[in-house]
Amino acid sequence: DAGVIQSPRHEVTEMGQEVTLRCKPISGHDYLFWYRQTMMRGLELLIYFNNNVPIDDSGMPEDRFSAKMPNASFSTLKIQPSEPRDSAVYFCASSFGPGGYTFGSGTRLTVV
Amino acid sequence: EDKVVQSPLSLVVHEGDTVTLNCSYEVTNFRSLLWYKQEKKAPTFLFMLTSSGIEKKSGRLSSILDKKELFSILNITATQTGDSAVYLCAVPPYGGATNKLIFGTGTLLAVQP
Repeated sequence: DAGVIQSPRHEVTEMGQEVTLRCKPISGHDYLFWYRQTMMRGLELLIYFNNNVPIDDSGMPEDRFSAKMPNASFSTLKIQPSEPRDSAVYFCASSFGPGGYTFGSGTRLTVV
Repeated sequence: EDKVVQSPLSLVVHEGDTVTLNCSYEVTNFRSLLWYKQEKKAPTFLFMLTSSGIEKKSGRLSSILDKKELFSILNITATQTGDSAVYLCAVPPYGGATNKLIFGTGTLLAVQP
């Protein structure tokens, strides 16, 4: 089991550019979560999916953020256009049933 | 509004010390409380607590929940430098899926040799 796989590990981009973060959940997990972590705000839930369907996107900061889960093994988080305040570590996590998540290693995004 | 508050925000101890980390919560329709350890990368799951007064234990780490007073503690005995990390507490909020979690801002623990 390779765990939750995120790519890229690091992303540096210029303000205004589109950024796409990718996540492969653990096979068989039916929940997928996108979190953002900053020093100021800690871990914040952006959106989560259950069986590939977005359930709650109330944490998505604004329309520049969008997330998709076209199948059970892949999800993307897109920011367009990116801004410096989007700089953070973005985590994907997956789970099956109640209990603890398994997190991916995160994508460290820097927008300059 | 559902919230999770952890204390202290940071802590510096020496190897061999015992530490207690605190987590208080305000959540409607409480179901569970989870503890995570985050080193340089992703948080890793430690414990899930659902019942008051029942201690969960894993090696030198243990945790207990008080549903009446709405808090949990995480104890680490005989600390080692490898225990240095951010410890996160999380609860699922009312109306959310069991798996949707609200995290506290964490306690940064530094264990010095």
